[in-house]
Amino acid sequence: KAGVTQTPRYLIKTRGQQVTLSCSPISGHRSVSWYQQTPGQGLQFLFEYFSETQRNKGNFPGRFSGRQFSNSRSEMNVSTLELGDSALYLCASSLLAGDPNEQFFGPGTRLTVL
Amino acid sequence: KQEVTQIPAALSVPEGENLVLNCSFTDSAIYNLQWFRQDPGKGLTSLLLIQSSQREQTSGRLNASLDKSSGRSTLYIAASQPGDSATYLCAVALDDMRFGAGTRLTVKP
Repeated sequence: KAGVTQTPRYLIKTRGQQVTLSCSPISGHRSVSWYQQTPGQGLQFLFEYFSETQRNKGNFPGRFSGRQFSNSRSEMNVSTLELGDSALYLCASSLLAGDPNEQFFGPGTRLTVL
Repeated sequence: KQEVTQIPAALSVPEGENLVLNCSFTDSAIYNLQWFRQDPGKGLTSLLLIQSSQREQTSGRLNASLDKSSGRSTLYIAASQPGDSATYLCAVALDDMRFGAGTRLTVKP
């Protein structure tokens, strides 16, 4: 069974631009969560989607948004990029939302904002 | 607000040693606790998942325990190997997943 895939793996953008990252969950998984990882803040929860609905959202500004499609694939978008958005963005999938489900992570997208 | 702390932040041991990594959390109302491994610049690999009703889980040379009442978990690694060198993260799940800052483990040959 294929794992969680994320595209692109690396991305370089300049301040003010916007970016879209994609995540394909493990087949059969319906929940996708997104995380931001930086050296200073560690891993922080962005949002979780389940059945095309945002189920939970972390403490990030409105520039960060996401969506989930009917095939459970998810995208996250960051508008008006800032230098501080440079990070490793990880997505994780699980069978169902919340509850005691194991999360499986993708390899991440490394975003660099210049 | 749930806070997760991992001690030590870094650990260096010679090959073959048994070692313990610690994780503490402030709110005992959790669904589960998960231990992950992360290699530099890579994603997270799930090692062990302990449900809130469980006390421990084992996989090969790894054993994780959970004491919800005291807000603690430990990851025990037996007979460490250089290939175990990585950052180990614990995370607790309720409405969302909260991560510790990790323990960077180096196992020297």
